[in-house]
Amino acid sequence: QQQVKQSPQSLIVQKGGISIINCAYENTAFDYFPWYQQFPGKGPALLIAIRPDVSEKKEGRFTISFNKSAKQFSLHIMDSQPGDSATYFCAASLIKAAGNKLTFGGGTRVLVKP
Amino acid sequence: GAVVSQHPSRVICKSGTSVKIECRSLDFQATTMFWYRQFPKQSLMLMATSNEGSKATYEQGVEKDKFLINHASLTLSTLTVTSAHPEDSSFYICSASPAGGAQDTQYFGPGTRLTVL
Repeated sequence: QQQVKQSPQSLIVQKGGISIINCAYENTAFDYFPWYQQFPGKGPALLIAIRPDVSEKKEGRFTISFNKSAKQFSLHIMDSQPGDSATYFCAASLIKAAGNKLTFGGGTRVLVKP
Repeated sequence: GAVVSQHPSRVICKSGTSVKIECRSLDFQATTMFWYRQFPKQSLMLMATSNEGSKATYEQGVEKDKFLINHASLTLSTLTVTSAHPEDSSFYICSASPAGGAQDTQYFGPGTRLTVL
């Protein structure tokens, strides 16, 4: 059972544009929602994360929007650069109940064209 | 920043042999480490949760006798793939959560590419 659904599977954006990736979850008990960036052949790196008591969090060019009632959250990459070309994964976890065992979305391959 | 290393980065072995992968937290102690498997162009799938000094907790469908996990210290966890077969070829990634730190922070290693011939 896929508990975190991510869309789109792939995304092409022009340099300077906005990349938007969406995730939806089923388990209302999830209490931590991180986003990871992964380059080919490398491990994932934490980009930004949010807790359900906050509706938006911004760090540099990366913004998470969180809609608790809709059980959805999204990543916005502003002013996208070719170096942002990577696969992005959303995830969700139950920190208190399950010691931060992460459930990952399917991933979105982002290509930023110069 | 917190660094997690994995060794080896790549390994090729013959079918039927065993392979050990090490995961180390270099500048922090980790009470909990996680092992994931990632097939090409797919997401990360959690295999097991490793807690220092206790038995690992395996996810449904993961054979504990085939994927042996040892978390002998606060900085080292090992994954041994026993009697490896070509279908075990994958990218294995570990992650670690710092002891005493924010429970939500999880740092990932660079991964180990296993190819079974």
